[in-house]
Amino acid sequence: GENVEQHPSTLSVQEGDSAVIKCTYSDSASNYFPWYKQELGKGPQLIIDIRSNVGEKKDQRIAVTLNKTAKHFSLHITETQPEDSAVYFCAASLSYSGAGSYQLTFGKGTKLSVIP
Amino acid sequence: DSGVTQTPKHLITATGQRVTLRCSPRSGDLSVYWYQQSLDQGLQFLIQYYNGEERAKGNILERFSAQQFPDLHSELNLSSLELGDSALYFCASSATGGTPGEQYFGPGTRLTVT
Repeated sequence: GENVEQHPSTLSVQEGDSAVIKCTYSDSASNYFPWYKQELGKGPQLIIDIRSNVGEKKDQRIAVTLNKTAKHFSLHITETQPEDSAVYFCAASLSYSGAGSYQLTFGKGTKLSVIP
Repeated sequence: DSGVTQTPKHLITATGQRVTLRCSPRSGDLSVYWYQQSLDQGLQFLIQYYNGEERAKGNILERFSAQQFPDLHSELNLSSLELGDSALYFCASSATGGTPGEQYFGPGTRLTVT
């Protein structure tokens, strides 16, 4: 099955600096890569996603890049703010042909702390 | 607010007992996914239903079962509970079952087995 590795496990940055979180996946058939933000006591919130036919996607201060050859993808947060502090999860989706199922395999998470 | 609701928020029960967790997907979503989140295992996929039918199984124990009803809400049944079953249980819903699509998570149910 799919295996997703995520680094680093913790990350501290000064407010206004950039943060980068990296993930690698094992199955070259994976074709959908979402990122989730989880605040304390809440469920994961989808913040951005990318599909295998795209190399980069941006949404305001958040961007995701995908390198299919190397099987890795990254989350970039620019101009970080204290409210960006949370645990971030990457995931990869492996489709099961004929079954129409797209289960997500998650990385272990990165705890981001933005220091004011 | 994702639009996915889960009840109850917290559940405390004893070993050997059985509990039922409930999930209502976003309006119009046909797929429901169940996940377990624990400190040592992270977020793990348990099972998916699409329009009432089971679509995929992940790391779901035989003591656990789920179903999706005609109104599309879903229930996760956990029986013969063990201490190690203590975790957060999330459901997520998506509009699609046949193509990769966004999954929206509910607020979760925190299960504590004593």
